[in-house]
Amino acid sequence: AQSVTQLDSQVPVFEEAPVELRCNYSSSVSVYLFWYVQYPNQGLQLLLKYLSGSTLVKGINGFEAEFNKSQTSFHLRKPSVHISDTAEYFCAVSPQDSSYKLIFGSGTRLLVRP
Amino acid sequence: DTGVSQDPRHKITKRGQNVTFRCDPISEHNRLYWYRQTLGQGPEFLTYFQNEAQLEKSRLLSDRFSAERPKGSFSTLEIQRTEQGDSAMYLCASSINYEQYFGPGTRLTVT
Repeated sequence: AQSVTQLDSQVPVFEEAPVELRCNYSSSVSVYLFWYVQYPNQGLQLLLKYLSGSTLVKGINGFEAEFNKSQTSFHLRKPSVHISDTAEYFCAVSPQDSSYKLIFGSGTRLLVRP
Repeated sequence: DTGVSQDPRHKITKRGQNVTFRCDPISEHNRLYWYRQTLGQGPEFLTYFQNEAQLEKSRLLSDRFSAERPKGSFSTLEIQRTEQGDSAMYLCASSINYEQYFGPGTRLTVT
């Protein structure tokens, strides 16, 4: 079985400041890792994914994440946030089996203040 | 590419009534997933189809829930005898492989 923990339910940050959203996971099998963003009244949008290879992955809107196998973490970072980044961010894992189903964390609300 | 669409976007029903939601995936996607998202939580996996075959169902999917994907195209999710605990956002996603594309969701409110 898999589980995902997002320790921070809300992260307030000032505009143009850096931000890190934390994600830890647990799994008995190898997994793929994802970050999704959900803007108000919209569906989930894929930010970035880690499948294999380089542990530092870059996504859309200037976000990046680093996979750390020993710490079973996949933290999301952005060097300078904008007001428009205010949204809910979900970390998810998918077991490397035939289902590709997603197991999500509880989400982190990023609140960017001017 | 019109993306994944879901209908209706909002549904208010009284406890005990049956409701049905529809999901239209991206046309070339053979996989279709249903998730449920309650307030303040991440989406939870309910079930998935590969073409018309339903290959996995979560324990969350009680006997009152049924999903179909006739001819491997659109899918429906039916909830019978709704309960207040069924109030949630129901999300549909489609994919060819591991990268899922989500629809806007159907928000169900059971009064």
